[in-house]
Amino acid sequence: DVLLVESGGGLVQPGGSLRLSCVASGFTFRSYEMSWVRQAPGKGLEWVSYISSSGSTIYYADSVKGRFTISRDNAKNSLYLQMNSLRAEDTALYYCARVADAGHIDHWGQGTLVTVSS
Amino acid sequence: QPVLTQSSSASASLGSSVKLTCTLNSRHSTYIIAWHQQQPGKAPRYLMKLEGSGSYNRGSGVPDRFSGSSSGADRYLTISNLQSEDEADYYCETWDINTRLFGGGTKLTVL
Repeated sequence: DVLLVESGGGLVQPGGSLRLSCVASGFTFRSYEMSWVRQAPGKGLEWVSYISSSGSTIYYADSVKGRFTISRDNAKNSLYLQMNSLRAEDTALYYCARVADAGHIDHWGQGTLVTVSS
Repeated sequence: QPVLTQSSSASASLGSSVKLTCTLNSRHSTYIIAWHQQQPGKAPRYLMKLEGSGSYNRGSGVPDRFSGSSSGADRYLTISNLQSEDEADYYCETWDINTRLFGGGTKLTVL
């Protein structure tokens, strides 16, 4: 079975940094594109970033561009999100998601909570 | 970029059927979407991919009570024989070359 397990969330002060990780299992990680999606408390889903299977193509939502960096290590079956210059509005549950060949998300992790507060 | 519009809420009785709608903006009316379910306090779960033709593919383990259809820019999720566990938020998703969008979500209440 496909399994995506996020970690690295926590409480951080405004302006601080965090690095999220997602370990994948149950499928050939290096063959799949991946994304990060977040959900602020009581709000809907918001796409954050995308990375191609090789890592050569990367996209970001305008809300995080220049502050967040997505990366992956196919040898470790791992996806990462480096978050810098964090703001209160970045407070959310962050989900790791697998992108199917057809382009849609077909598997979700359980999420890791990031809280930005002083 | 595409825009997805969903009604904020819907309700239906236990054992009945409900049809949820996700509408694409006219410029992107042919786009494929996906439906996701989020039960209270849980992570989202992929339900199905739905094309503009109305053809759909359910995810692994998704009951056949869940079906999809399309009409123009509208994409529908129909849930038959509603169960209590179907009470959840339902999101549609679409994507373009360098972006991914979600609708605002529909909160489904099972009466």
